[in-house]
Amino acid sequence: QKEVEQNSGPLSVPEGAIASLNCTYSDRGSQSFFWYRQYSGKSPELIMSIYSNGDKEDGRFTAQLNKASQYVSLLIRDSQPSDSATYLCAVRNFGNEKLTFGTGTRLTIIP
Amino acid sequence: DVKVTQSSRYLVKRTGEKVFLECVQDMDHENMFWYRQDPGLGLRLIYFSYDVKMKEKGDIPEGYSVSREKKERFSLILESASTNQTSMYLCASKYPSPRDYGYTFGSGTRLTVV
Repeated sequence: QKEVEQNSGPLSVPEGAIASLNCTYSDRGSQSFFWYRQYSGKSPELIMSIYSNGDKEDGRFTAQLNKASQYVSLLIRDSQPSDSATYLCAVRNFGNEKLTFGTGTRLTIIP
Repeated sequence: DVKVTQSSRYLVKRTGEKVFLECVQDMDHENMFWYRQDPGLGLRLIYFSYDVKMKEKGDIPEGYSVSREKKERFSLILESASTNQTSMYLCASKYPSPRDYGYTFGSGTRLTVV
C-alpha cells in the first residue's frame, strides 16, 4: 500500500461545477496535510494546508480532513479553465520533517 | 515571499559528465530537499538536509550526492551523469516543525542527459 494515494485521473469537470479531489494516507500519525497545484512544465505551488479535522475554506477552495478515516479532500467551487492542472496531496508524518506526496490527480475543466 | 531559486531551467549534459544543480533560498529555511519528478512516478526524494553540513539520504540517492556548506544553498551533484537521470529536478525548502507551512519549491531544472 502506498503511503499517500490519489486517483491519477484524468478528472473532467464542466466549467462552473464543483471539482472534488480525494487523497488517502496510511500513517495514522500523520499531522499535516497539504494540497499543491502543478501546471504542466511548472513546479508545484501550495494552495491549501490543513492540520485538524473538519473543513478549511480559502476562496473557491475547501480542504476537508477526516483523520479517523484517513482521508483528505480538496473541493474547488465554480471551477475555471485555469484550474486545469495536476493536484498533489502531501502529508507530513509525526517526527518527520519531509513531506510524502501522492502521484497526483490530473484535473481538466471543460469550458 | 520566500524565493527558492534553481540556477538553470534547462540543462543538457553528456553521459559521464559531473553535473551540479544549485538551489538557493532567501528565507533562512533550515530544511532543504531535492526531488526528481518523472511521469507516472511522481515526486521521489533524492536527498535532504536539516541544517548546514547535514544531509540524509532519501528514497533514491544512488548516483547522486549533495553539499550544504551554507544555510541558503543546497547543491545536488550527479557524479557521472547517465541517461536514466534525465528528469525534472525540483528543490524545495521549509521551516522545521512546528512552523509547519509546507514546502516552497524552486522553478525546477529539466535535465537531459545525452
